[in-house]
Amino acid sequence: RKEVEQDPGPFNVPEGATVAFNCTYSNSASQSFFWYRQDCRKEPKLLMSVYSSGNEDGRFTAQLNRASQYISLLIRDSKLSDSATYLCVVNRDSGNTPLVFGKGTRLSVIA
Amino acid sequence: DAGVTQSPTHLIKTRGQQVTLRCSPKSGHDTVSWYQQALGQGPQFIFQYYEEEERQRGNFPDRFSGHQFPNYSSELNVNALLLGDSALYLCASSGLETGAGDEKLFFGSGTQLSVL
Repeated sequence: RKEVEQDPGPFNVPEGATVAFNCTYSNSASQSFFWYRQDCRKEPKLLMSVYSSGNEDGRFTAQLNRASQYISLLIRDSKLSDSATYLCVVNRDSGNTPLVFGKGTRLSVIA
Repeated sequence: DAGVTQSPTHLIKTRGQQVTLRCSPKSGHDTVSWYQQALGQGPQFIFQYYEEEERQRGNFPDRFSGHQFPNYSSELNVNALLLGDSALYLCASSGLETGAGDEKLFFGSGTQLSVL
C-alpha cells in the first residue's frame, strides 16, 4: 500500500461547481497533514493545513478522519483559477519526519 | 523577504555526468529538504539538512549527496547521471512559523534537469 493515495483524476468541472478530493494515508502515527496546490510547471504551494477538528478557509474546507486515515478537501463555487493539481501531504511518522506527497489530483475548471 | 531560491532553473546533461544544484532557504529558515518530482508524479523526498548535517534520507542511491553551509544554503549533487534522473528538483525550506505549531514547507521554483 502506498504511503499516501489520492483520487487519480483528472476532475473536469464547470465554474461554480463543488468538487471534493479524497486521500488516504497508511501510517496511523502520522501527525501532520496538508493540502498543497501545484500549477503546471511550478512549485507546490501550501494551500492549507488539516486539523482533526476540520478547518475552513473561504471556499476551501479540509477534514481529517484519523480513525479511517482519510483526508478530504472540498472546494465550493469553483473558479477558473482553481485549475491546478492538488497534492495530499502527510508526515511519514510522528515527530519531525519528512513530508510524503501523494501523486496529486488534477482539477480543470471549465467556463 | 526573499523566498526560497534555486539555481539554475534549467540544466541539460548527458549520461554519466555530474551535476550540482543550489538552494537558498527562506529568510529565518534553518532546515532544507530536497525533493525529486518526475513528470506526472508527486515530489519524492531525497534528504533533509539541518545544522549542516544530513538529518534524514529517503530511498535514493548514494549517487545523490548534499551539503548545507553555515548560512543554511544547500547543494544537491548527483553523480553518474542516468536517464531516469531527469526530473524537476525541488528545494524546500522549513522552520517553525510563529504561532503555527507545525512545520510547513516552502518550495523554490525548482531546477528542471534533463539527462540525454
